[in-house]
Amino acid sequence: NAGVTQTPKFRVLKTGQSMTLLCAQDMNHEYMYWYRQDPGMGLRLIHYSVGEGTTAKGEVPDGYNVSRLKKQNFLLGLESAAPSQTSVYFCASSLYRVGTDTQYFGPGTRLTVL
Amino acid sequence: DAKTTQPTSMDCAEGRAANLPCNHSTISGNEYVYWYRQIHSQGPQYIIHGLKNNETNEMASLIITEDRKSSTLILPHATLRDTAVYYCIVRVAGNNAGNMLTFGGGTRLMVKP
Repeated sequence: NAGVTQTPKFRVLKTGQSMTLLCAQDMNHEYMYWYRQDPGMGLRLIHYSVGEGTTAKGEVPDGYNVSRLKKQNFLLGLESAAPSQTSVYFCASSLYRVGTDTQYFGPGTRLTVL
Repeated sequence: DAKTTQPTSMDCAEGRAANLPCNHSTISGNEYVYWYRQIHSQGPQYIIHGLKNNETNEMASLIITEDRKSSTLILPHATLRDTAVYYCIVRVAGNNAGNMLTFGGGTRLMVKP
């Protein structure tokens, strides 16, 4: 199992450009999440999905859109990148079971917006 | 989710046990104690979790006090690769509210040769 993979690993954008980050998991997990982590800070939830075709807003959703067309993939889009979106983006997935909903994280995407 | 308090940093000699404490005095009866760690520049990694009984897996042991107001993560034989920030998180497992993880400051563990 590859677990959770993210592409790309690094990206530099200019202000106003758009891009899509791809997250893939091969563990058949129902839940998937996108977090961002700014330097010296904890993770903040951007959007999440509880199943194919469903998405919901997290703590900091503004400026981002997501789609979950297939169970194994969760895409994060930036329509018009801003310097404030410079961050490390982590994707995670989990089963949904009472008593155990461990989240498994990908390696991250480092995004710089100039 | 209940608030947790952890020391900012700790040192441990390689090969010795690392004992990382966490206080969670406002924990509710249905909240679990989770531990994750984040090695520099990597994604967070799940370590272990428990409700009220002590737990052990291939990575660590989790000791929860009888009143559940505090816990200790034990890495039995710390190696240099265990140098990381360790997060203690208290939450209701399977909570429908997005299942988000709230990472506080964590404990920066430095394992030294």
